[in-house]
Amino acid sequence: SQQGEEDPQALSIQEGENATMNCSYKTSINNLQWYRQNSGRGLVHLILIRSNEREKHSGRLRVTLDTSKKSSSLLITASRAADTASYFCATVPPVSQGGSEKLVFGKGTKLTVNP
Amino acid sequence: DGGITQSPKYLFRKEGQNVTLSCEQNLNHDAMYWYRQDPGQGLRLIYYSQIVNDFQKGDIAEGYSVSREKKESFPLTVTSAQKNPTAFYLCASSSWTGRDEQFFGPGTRLTVL
Repeated sequence: SQQGEEDPQALSIQEGENATMNCSYKTSINNLQWYRQNSGRGLVHLILIRSNEREKHSGRLRVTLDTSKKSSSLLITASRAADTASYFCATVPPVSQGGSEKLVFGKGTKLTVNP
Repeated sequence: DGGITQSPKYLFRKEGQNVTLSCEQNLNHDAMYWYRQDPGQGLRLIYYSQIVNDFQKGDIAEGYSVSREKKESFPLTVTSAQKNPTAFYLCASSSWTGRDEQFFGPGTRLTVL
């Protein structure tokens, strides 16, 4: 059951530019998480934002959450070639909304940062 | 070093064979998960376990089986009943509930010959 949808599917930028990825979801949520996956590797947790939070920062990452629009964005500032990866949003639909209180992942945004 | 290990990294199976993928964690996490990832796709939940000797089916459990005899270990068996098993399999763990941050292993790539 797909909950989150990332946009765009692919993004190619130059080193030093900012990268913005968006995630839209369908039901209310407990929290929304962003993960990163390098090619052929496991996922790495980046940031968790709760439903009562609007913005969160971690280093060069900035995540916003708009529960009225059921959307979130991940901004990576001053991107580096090492940021090249796929980025996934994952949401936790509550049981009251038909969910199982388990993470549901989107299909991801593939980011390429060119040196 | 705390973390999750998966083995093997690559696995080849002939049609009709069962294979078991290993997942071990030393993070003292209660919850463990198995996901399947197909090319260009997100992760789909196969099975999860929140406590030893208990596990639940995820969205795509058909053709798979699991056990949770120890807190640290959550092996996944891909049976011959799984019609399209070629995929990347990821194991994860979290401290308790499905709401928490999950920690992932490096994955096992299974190919059916």
